[in-house]
Amino acid sequence: GAVVSQHPSRVICKSGTSVKIECRSLDFQATTMFWYRQFPKQSLMLMATSNEGSKATYEQGVEKDKFLINHASLTLSTLTVTSAHPEDSSFYICSARDLWGTQYFGPGTRLLVL
Amino acid sequence: ELKVEQNPLFLSMQEGKNYTIYCNYSTTSDRLYWYRQDPGKSLESLFVLLSNGAVKQEGRLMASLDTKARLSTLHITAAVHDLSATYFCAVDIRYSGGGADGLTFGKGTHLIIQP
Repeated sequence: GAVVSQHPSRVICKSGTSVKIECRSLDFQATTMFWYRQFPKQSLMLMATSNEGSKATYEQGVEKDKFLINHASLTLSTLTVTSAHPEDSSFYICSARDLWGTQYFGPGTRLLVL
Repeated sequence: ELKVEQNPLFLSMQEGKNYTIYCNYSTTSDRLYWYRQDPGKSLESLFVLLSNGAVKQEGRLMASLDTKARLSTLHITAAVHDLSATYFCAVDIRYSGGGADGLTFGKGTHLIIQP
């Protein structure tokens, strides 16, 4: 099946710093990628839809100036958490959609903000 | 707003027993996914159900979709300990009209199978 990678898998940072997370589709092109967030013992919540070459679409309640998304190519989307705070600590998971509409999930990035 | 309800949210069962997890959703959609998540891990895709009446089976798991009733089920047959995990259903919003995109997840069913 299709493979999606994320980097880094785990990051610890100080409050106020910015963190960039990369999501790559390794063996297929994805015009659309998605970013989800999962807090402990909760479900996944869609944060934003990332379309190659255009601005991301953010879900209600997600601050676009805090969570910067760039989808510069058909295989790469990045999520930058700007001025991170402890409440941003979470498990961030991306997915990439193939031509047939199936979403494939990355392994996730665990962010801990101290 | 699309709502996806799973039940039960927590299930403890013995090996060898059968059980069903239910996933109801509030608007029309012709695409539904089932995922498994182990602690600390991302999602593992189990099934993609693409049309009304779709039934798929893999090992001891079988999933079905009834788009008219807006209901999907995940049936576990003769459960074994290795199936202990959290199971999520997710509805593809793009197939429900309205122009939105992405997956809306149920809250998940935490399944513990005891020897």
